[in-house]
Amino acid sequence: IAGITQAPTSQILAAGRRMTLRCTQDMRHNAMYWYRQDLGLGLRLIHYSNTAGTTGKGEVPDGYSVSRANTDDFPLTLASAVPSQTSVYFCASSERSGSSYEQYFGPGTRLTVT
Amino acid sequence: GQSLEQPSEVTAVEGAIVQINCTYQTSGFYGLSWYQQHDGGAPTFLSYNGLDGLEETGRFSSFLSRSDSYGYLLLQELQMKDSASYFCAHLYNFNKFYFGSGTKLNVKP
Repeated sequence: IAGITQAPTSQILAAGRRMTLRCTQDMRHNAMYWYRQDLGLGLRLIHYSNTAGTTGKGEVPDGYSVSRANTDDFPLTLASAVPSQTSVYFCASSERSGSSYEQYFGPGTRLTVT
Repeated sequence: GQSLEQPSEVTAVEGAIVQINCTYQTSGFYGLSWYQQHDGGAPTFLSYNGLDGLEETGRFSSFLSRSDSYGYLLLQELQMKDSASYFCAHLYNFNKFYFGSGTKLNVKP
């Protein structure tokens, strides 16, 4: 693996179902982030983690949860999906927190909630 | 609250120079970043300005004026492959990034 991987690539999900989006990085970066990007819009921060064992809420956290059990993995869980969560989800990492540090983005997961 | 304003779309011809502006309002500003995103792809980092002035990286330059809450991305010698969306983003509360809605750059031959 080189960089960030996300799984699945795409998913169609029935409303009310639970779903976990996976994110793994092999760069030993301390900080990780989850964003959603709706069609034609910018990225909105859902949750972030400055280091393993810590997480924080971003701009649009409702309906989502995260965990950071180790440095490499940062899964995002939708407890009960709703159609408004239809979006492209990007995971990102940076060496550490702070705007001077480049964020590296995964390829994204395209999620459709019906 | 947080806000970032940038034009929704810009068109330029191959070989030309284009400037994409970004104005911001935030509490607790640390710096301004720029990202490029091709259709269907992931964002990729272009530049970061923590201090006032110009940062140059090859054909791309980025500028920041903290007193004016303003920055821009300058793309020189435009190529067809530069057709993409460009996002400015700033960090607030040290941990949270706020992205603008993006500027779609169309490069024409």
